[in-house]
Amino acid sequence: EDQVTQSPEALRLQEGESSSLNCSYTVSGLRGLFWYRQDPGKGPEFLFTLYSAGEEKEKERLKATLTKKESFLHITAPKPEDSATYLCAVRGPHNNNDMRFGAGTRLTVKP
Amino acid sequence: GAVVSQHPSWVICKSGTSVKIECRSLDFQATTMFWYRQFPKQSLMLMATSNEGSKATYEQGVEKDKFLINHASLTLSTLTVTSAHPEDSSFYICSARDRAGYPPEQYFGPGTRLTVT
Repeated sequence: EDQVTQSPEALRLQEGESSSLNCSYTVSGLRGLFWYRQDPGKGPEFLFTLYSAGEEKEKERLKATLTKKESFLHITAPKPEDSATYLCAVRGPHNNNDMRFGAGTRLTVKP
Repeated sequence: GAVVSQHPSWVICKSGTSVKIECRSLDFQATTMFWYRQFPKQSLMLMATSNEGSKATYEQGVEKDKFLINHASLTLSTLTVTSAHPEDSSFYICSARDRAGYPPEQYFGPGTRLTVT
């Protein structure tokens, strides 16, 4: 069965302190790894989709990378407004109609 | 970007009553929509997948007679929680897949907070 594990569960950073969030997955025949941002009481906001090992995507202070076993979401010089829960999800050939989500990493950036 | 709306954003209902939640894709057509449930500090759990014009596919453990899903058009899906009980209180989130995009991207609604008293 496809599994997605995110670490750490929670992360507290000082403003400007760069760090990375990890998403480890086990799925045969990956058909997409997705990163979303979720603010409290709101739906997930799409950030990135990665499809193959070695792929990288960037958006403002965020950069997502993908290997055959895991993905990293790098946050460079974070700001307090980057505080949110970051969700990782995978889509495989056996669940082509949906995504399997990890539990998320709750990021808090202190000013 | 693609926008998915949900209505209502929050609802309180009494135990035993039914409540309907709407999910709309505002600027794209979605042949497939998904309904998720999220408990506090937990991740999203898929409840069912609905395809326009056909019956929804429910995940194991989700009662199809309790959670009625209708996907009557390419822009609207509804979830009706029938005979709601306090344990049905949760955050319900819908998602829609843009049929025009390749690869298909999936966009989420803002969620509906259901409280059953």
